[in-house]
Parts: sequence; C-alpha cells; structure tokens
Amino acid sequence: EVQLVESGGGLVKPGGSLRLSCAASGFTFTNAWMRWVRQSPGKGLEWVGRIKSETDGGTTDYAAPVKGRFTISRDDSKNTLFLQMNSLKTEDTAVYYCTTDHEGGPGFWGQGTLVSVSS
Amino acid sequence: DVVMTQSPLSLPVTLGQPASISCRSSQSLVYSDGNTYLSWFQQRPGQSPRRLIYKVSNRDSGVPDRFSGSGSDTDFTLKISRVEAEDVGVYYCMQGTHWWTFGQGTKVEIK
Repeated sequence: EVQLVESGGGLVKPGGSLRLSCAASGFTFTNAWMRWVRQSPGKGLEWVGRIKSETDGGTTDYAAPVKGRFTISRDDSKNTLFLQMNSLKTEDTAVYYCTTDHEGGPGFWGQGTLVSVSS
Repeated sequence: DVVMTQSPLSLPVTLGQPASISCRSSQSLVYSDGNTYLSWFQQRPGQSPRRLIYKVSNRDSGVPDRFSGSGSDTDFTLKISRVEAEDVGVYYCMQGTHWWTFGQGTKVEIK
C-alpha cells in the first residue's frame, strides 16, 4: 500500500523558513517523480514544484510564486522527499501535500501538513 | 497558465440519480505524445484529494465504475451514474499537459 506521510508544518513569521518532509513507502521511491501541491482557501489547489528521479536527472521545477524561495530535494536512501521554504509570505499559508507524479497527475497524496505564515 | 473552469460550482443531487460536472480548459490539453492529461479528483470532507480518473477516462484502482470520464481537447465531463451518500465532497479537474493546474472545484451535496 502506498503511503506518503508529511511532517514539519507549523506557524512561522513572514520572512521565516520551514522544512517539510515526506516519508514514502509502498512503492519504488527511487524511480518516482514527486511533487508538492498546496491547498489554501483563497487559491484552491496549486502545484508547488517537482523533482524527477535521479535516473532521469533529479532536476527540479517550480511554480512561479515560489521560484527562488523554495527548494525540493530527495534522499532516496531514506525514501524521503523534502521541501525547504525560505522567505515565507502570508500567501504561502496552506496545507502542503506530497504527491506522486504518475500518468500526468498526482496518483497518490499524503495527508498534508499545515503551514501558517503570520506575524 | 492554462485555466481550468468547472461548472457548476455547486451541485445538489438526489441519491440514486445521475450527476455530471463539466470542465473546460483555456487551451488544448493534447500533449505532444498524443495523450490528453486530464484528471479528476474527489475530496471528501476532512480528507486529502483522491484521484478518480486519469488521462480523461481511465479509472484509478479501486474507483467504483459508477464514475466515468469523457471528453477531448478542451471540453471534459465527469459523470456519476447513480450518486451514493459517500460521494459527497468537492470534485476537481486538473490538467497535466502544461505543468499542472486545477479547476476551482464543484461541491456535490445531497438534496
């Protein structure tokens, strides 16, 4: 059974940083392209970024609102995906989901972790 | 960015009756490989989204066959043949042809 378990969310002040983790199991993580998607009341569902598998280059891509501030990485030895978020803004407040990238969309989702950016 | 527009945004339905949700994209979703990357998701209250349909009409594993997807190019539909109580929630379409963008969601509730 595929499981994605996010952690690391919390309350942070504007300009602050946070690192999210996603522990994956139940599939071959090494071969998987992974994405982060966020959901906020104001903007709905929005993809944040993607990381390819190492065999496909391990490259990353980001949505315009987070480019230059967020960084996605992975540790295939621990089946874990990360999202480093810097220079956080109030509009980054959302539930952040770790997802698999399969057949042109998120095949599996984690339970999400809430990030609140507020002074 | 590709804009995904769903209608209706609210859909009161009667148990056992059919339901239909429309999704339109601002540009063609046919990718260079010939596939059309249009997916549908269900989000029940308090839960994460769950994919129901991928590449327009392919049901994900474990999805009841009362859910079906159809359409092409820029115009797509999700149909529920007979609505059950567990189908209450918000439904989203999503395109994966030009990065990923989601529709604004359709709230399905029982009359």
